[in-house]
Amino acid sequence: SSELTQDPAVSVALGQTVRITCQGDSLRNFYASWYQQKPGQAPVLVIYGKNNRPSGIPDRFSGSRSGNTASLTITGAQAEDEADYYCNSRDSSGNHLPYVVFGGGTKLTVL
Amino acid sequence: QAQLQESGPGLVKPSQTLSLTCTVSGGSISSGSYYWSWIRQPAGKGLEWIGHIYTSGSTNYNPSLKRRVTISVDTSKNQFSLKLSSVTAADTAVYYCARGEMFSSSFLWFDPWGQGTLVTVSS
Repeated sequence: SSELTQDPAVSVALGQTVRITCQGDSLRNFYASWYQQKPGQAPVLVIYGKNNRPSGIPDRFSGSRSGNTASLTITGAQAEDEADYYCNSRDSSGNHLPYVVFGGGTKLTVL
Repeated sequence: QAQLQESGPGLVKPSQTLSLTCTVSGGSISSGSYYWSWIRQPAGKGLEWIGHIYTSGSTNYNPSLKRRVTISVDTSKNQFSLKLSSVTAADTAVYYCARGEMFSSSFLWFDPWGQGTLVTVSS
């Protein structure tokens, strides 16, 4: 199955914009979804597909894709956005029953 | 709004079988088109997809775990379960159940998630 690569750590100044990336061959064909995980908590979906936000997720979170890279952008980062972020994608095998892969996660620090 | 809750032993001995159950509330596990999934996370590490069972009952597993994993569903109890055999210390992790959904075969996402349950493999 495919692999997804994320930068281990990223930092952003309070109120600034940050982009968290996820690279992998599967992303040429499929969109990523993104999850926020705070210490001791379960992951929470923040973006899925092309650029869809679940109810309750602030609109400062957005998603995009270019080539083999998916990006999660936080426009105007807030202190509460400090967390680990994971991407996931399906891979090319098993159209109806896909395999799933997660990125290694990015720790976002808000300065 | 569906809610998921994991349950099962928090301690399993090496070489034994880990068994966990996920109870789904707020909706029928047999309705819709969902991938009822298990995902785990060792302490301080990333998420690892274990596998899922589709609403139809079909299953798919992470190739790295496939020989040891079984996921099943009990529609009468609105639950799905994970069995992982021949466990070692490397299987120590927080185990999450989650509902997966796919759109037009182009992307798959997990929402909601259970709170997670820590399973330690130790004698």
